[in-house]
Parts: sequence; structure tokens; C-alpha cells
Amino acid sequence: QKEVEQNSGPLSVPEGAIASLNCTYSDRGSQSFFWYRQYSGKSPELIMFIYSNGDKEDGRFTAQLNKASQYVSLLIRDSQPSDSATYLCAVNSGYSTLTFGKGTMLLVSP
Amino acid sequence: NAGVTQTPKFRILKIGQSMTLQCAQDMNHNYMYWYRQDPGMGLKLIYYSVGAGITDKGEVPNGYNVSRSTTEDFPLRLELAAPSQTSVYFCASSSGTGLRETQYFGPGTRLLVL
Repeated sequence: QKEVEQNSGPLSVPEGAIASLNCTYSDRGSQSFFWYRQYSGKSPELIMFIYSNGDKEDGRFTAQLNKASQYVSLLIRDSQPSDSATYLCAVNSGYSTLTFGKGTMLLVSP
Repeated sequence: NAGVTQTPKFRILKIGQSMTLQCAQDMNHNYMYWYRQDPGMGLKLIYYSVGAGITDKGEVPNGYNVSRSTTEDFPLRLELAAPSQTSVYFCASSSGTGLRETQYFGPGTRLLVL
């Protein structure tokens, strides 16, 4: 059974701070990793993906991957109240499907 | 492009009734998926399809059926609805299985079984 673990939160950060969201996965064969953002009552939307060890930056977002530790994280710099949402980590293990974590709720206070 | 569309947006069913949740995509994607999401939980895969005429079970297929007669459409059938099927259902599609392949989600169908 492939598992993806996330702290459910909520993670509360003040506006302008760095938010750090973490995810661990059980399948060592996992090849690519996705971060989705889901606003309340809405569908998930992709923020970014990563498949190589190290960091990948896209604007205020940085994804970090450490395959040896089976760990992936998402950093959000200069957090804004509009970043308040649930962030879902998803893992592609080389088949046609993704395994999702339960998500971490992020609250950014003005 | 409309992307992934789902109908209806909301539905109330009585126990034992049946219904079909509709999903369509206009991106010419081969891969389509059905998920359910319960409150405070992640997405659980119900069924998926890698092309017209090909479907396979996901993590939680019991109580559901699917068919894929065209590339565009992937309906989900609920037979004999039960309260445990109260959930939000999302359909998604992607173009393939490469490392970068992204799943695009529809707006969801909220289902209440009473």
C-alpha cells in the first residue's frame, strides 16, 4: 500500500513569512512529486512538480526533494492571505495514477 | 477550451437510488480518473481509464462502475446509493504517464445520500 503522509495542520503563519509544508512517502520507486493547492469548496489545482533531487523554484514557491529520505517539501515565501488553502502532496510511482496525501491546511493571517 | 467539466454540481439521492455522474474533457487526453474526497481527507482513486475501452479499478471501486466509450467522456455510475457514498467527486484527466504529466481536475460533484 503506497502511502503519502502530511501533517493535517492547520499551519498558521503571519503575512510575509515563509510557510514550510512537508510530505513523506513510502514507495521508494516513486518518480515524480506534485503539489496541488485546493481552496475550500474548489477543485485541486497544480502548483508545481519535481522529479529530481534538490530544489526547484517557481516564483514564490520552492519545491524540495530528497529521495534518500523519501521527503518532499514546499516552501512559500512572502506568504499572502490568498495563499490560505489546503495543500495536497501527490506522488506518481511510475504507473498511471497518483497517490495523494490528506493535505495540510495553511492559514496566513494579515 | 472548457477543460474538464462535470455534471451535476450537486445532487441529493435517496438510499438505493442510482445515478450517473458525467465527466467530459476537451483536451484530447487519453487518461481520465475518478476520485472521491471526504471531509478532511485526501483524494481516493475510484476508477481510471488509459484510453477508450480500457478501465481499471483504483483504491475504492466498490459500489461504482465506469465505462469509456469515447476519449472525451468518462461517466461514473453509482448503483444502489448508500450513505457511505456521500462525498465530493472529482474527475481528472491527463495526457500521459511521463514524469511531468499533470492531472487537471473538474469542478466536482457534491453528492448527498440520505
